Amino acid sequence: GAGVSQSPRYKVAKRGQDVALRCDPISGHVSLFWYQQALGQGPEFLTYFQNEAQLDKSGLPSDRFFAERPEGSVSTLKIQRTQQEDSAVYLCASSLSGSGANVLTFGAGSRLTVL
Amino acid sequence: DQQVKQNSPSLSVQEGRISILNCDYTNSMFDYFLWYKKYPAEGPTFLISISSIKDKNEDGRFTVFLNKSAKHLSLHIVPSQPGDSAVYFCAATGPLSGTYKYIFGTGTRLKVLA
Repeated sequence: GAGVSQSPRYKVAKRGQDVALRCDPISGHVSLFWYQQALGQGPEFLTYFQNEAQLDKSGLPSDRFFAERPEGSVSTLKIQRTQQEDSAVYLCASSLSGSGANVLTFGAGSRLTVL
Repeated sequence: DQQVKQNSPSLSVQEGRISILNCDYTNSMFDYFLWYKKYPAEGPTFLISISSIKDKNEDGRFTVFLNKSAKHLSLHIVPSQPGDSAVYFCAATGPLSGTYKYIFGTGTRLKVLA
């Protein structure tokens, strides 16, 4: 597609529910990143994929967070047993190359509110 | 441990004047720096970047300066326009632990007054 597409744009979940957030990167982009942005903060790194391989998941805050990119294109970020502190905007970004420094193109984000 | 810092949460500038946004970093492994602009309810959009082998990069009204010895970069917008009002994030990356992880600052909200 023309840009990075994320869905849903808004999600309200009750505490304890599981949620799944989808990211459709730019076609042909090798690298895919997930970030978490809390209110008034900058994006915080969660995890990074190069094609289908998850090369870095050091930013995932707990084992309730899980990400996958099984065919090297669409990615899903899953949060199990959501807590109020998980409320944030989840940003997905992709870049063309799998090596070196590149420009990240971001999606509009998925805003998660946990009640 | 905040590796990328934007110490000014907000900045107001008169239309037509220069806006200067600052960013400091601590990790000497960073070798590529980017500025992003963010409007409400949208994702960050790329503005300009600079490699550590340069000390200046210019693109129209936007210029980024890099001072490696001070671990400091700045974004200059001249002349500032009301449409530039947004939150600006600096980001840094480098071969950290084998992967190019992008670390963002906390952002500076720029308001350009007409």
